[in-house]
Amino acid sequence: GENVEQHPSTLSVQEGDSAVIKCTYSDSASNYFPWYKQELGKRPQLIIDIRSNVGEKKDQRIAVTLNKTAKHFSLHITETQPEDSAVYFCAAVGGGADGLTFGKGTHLIIQP
Amino acid sequence: SAVISQKPSRDICQRGTSLTIQCQVDSQVTMMFWYRQQPGQSLTLIATANQGSEATYESGFVIDKFPISRPNLTFSTLTVSNMSPEDSSIYLCSVGTSGNTIYFGEGSWLTVV
Repeated sequence: GENVEQHPSTLSVQEGDSAVIKCTYSDSASNYFPWYKQELGKRPQLIIDIRSNVGEKKDQRIAVTLNKTAKHFSLHITETQPEDSAVYFCAAVGGGADGLTFGKGTHLIIQP
Repeated sequence: SAVISQKPSRDICQRGTSLTIQCQVDSQVTMMFWYRQQPGQSLTLIATANQGSEATYESGFVIDKFPISRPNLTFSTLTVSNMSPEDSSIYLCSVGTSGNTIYFGEGSWLTVV
């Protein structure tokens, strides 16, 4: 089955700086790669996703890149703000009716 | 995106008892899944809820412990049976829309005492 590795487990950045979270996956058949943000006591919220036919996708301050050859994808947050503080999870899913395989999460801390 | 309602949102349960969690979606969806998130951990897929047939369980999860029903394309239940403190977790229903986009319900926070 799929295996997703996520790094780092904790990331502390100064407000206004950029943050990058990286994930690798094992199953070359995986074709959908979402990112979720989870605030304390709340459910995971989809913030951005990318499919295997695209190399990069951007939504305001958030971007995701995908390298299919290397089987890794990354989340980039620019101009970080205090409300970006949360746990971020990457995930991967293959074709058919497969569920998501999650990385272990990154606790992002934005220092004022 | 689909609107996903879960009940109960929170519960405190006695060990040895069972609890059924309900998941209702506002539109018909092909894919429904159940996840568990243990305290401070990531999300783990328990099973895929299949409409009209037995659920497909992931390694480490069995039907006797986590029976799942899915009578139609908008509703599913997950039962956590014979609970122990190790079952204290958030249980999340999720649905897959076209193109595999997956959304989560608000979760059911279970504490077993």
